[in-house]
Amino acid sequence: EPEVTQTPSHQVTQMGQEVILRCVPISNHLYFYWYRQILGQKVEFLVSFYNNEISEKSEIFDDQFSVERPDGSNFTLKIRSTKLEDSAMYFCASSVGLSGNTIYFGEGSWLTVV
Amino acid sequence: AQSVSQHNHHVILSEAASLELGCNYSYGGTVNLFWYVQYPGQHLQLLLKYFSGDPLVKGIKGFEAEFIKSKFSFNLRKPSVQWSDTAEYFCAVSAPMNTGFQKLVFGTGTRLLVSP
Repeated sequence: EPEVTQTPSHQVTQMGQEVILRCVPISNHLYFYWYRQILGQKVEFLVSFYNNEISEKSEIFDDQFSVERPDGSNFTLKIRSTKLEDSAMYFCASSVGLSGNTIYFGEGSWLTVV
Repeated sequence: AQSVSQHNHHVILSEAASLELGCNYSYGGTVNLFWYVQYPGQHLQLLLKYFSGDPLVKGIKGFEAEFIKSKFSFNLRKPSVQWSDTAEYFCAVSAPMNTGFQKLVFGTGTRLLVSP
């Protein structure tokens, strides 16, 4: 079964540093997402992306965050200047289409900000 | 705004016991409902989903869920659990956003431990 893959699986970074989390969505999928889960809390929607632009973003997704699809396969989440509260598991996801299509998740990237 | 409540945070069962995990949501419009499972060290996987039609939905690995609209509930069930069902289970609801995208709103999850 095709999978969404994410790298790194775990990253430790110092506060204030930039972090890029990488994702390779399923190849024929057109819609991409980032979610995150702070330890002990709910999985939360961050952003959705289609046709090389953000279509929706949550209030969490402030100016510190950006997403990009630099080539035909990767989908990245950048956190410009990390804060302690950015420590979380970040999940990339993708789907073929919109409502009615299953969203497939990657294994997650665990970010620890120290 | 949509919200999802999962009432059981931790459930411990013996093998062959029956399972029911509660999920209630709040949203006045048409919703799509999901159960995802996350096995230790693995990614979120879709167990089953409800979009329309028969409110009793069957998923993978013997799981099923029943959508009861009047109760805003979508409880997950399995008649006989196995040790391999040990995982965290997430209920989620989606509703279309202005752009037509669906945003998943998750519950807090239920950690299931099945003892052999």
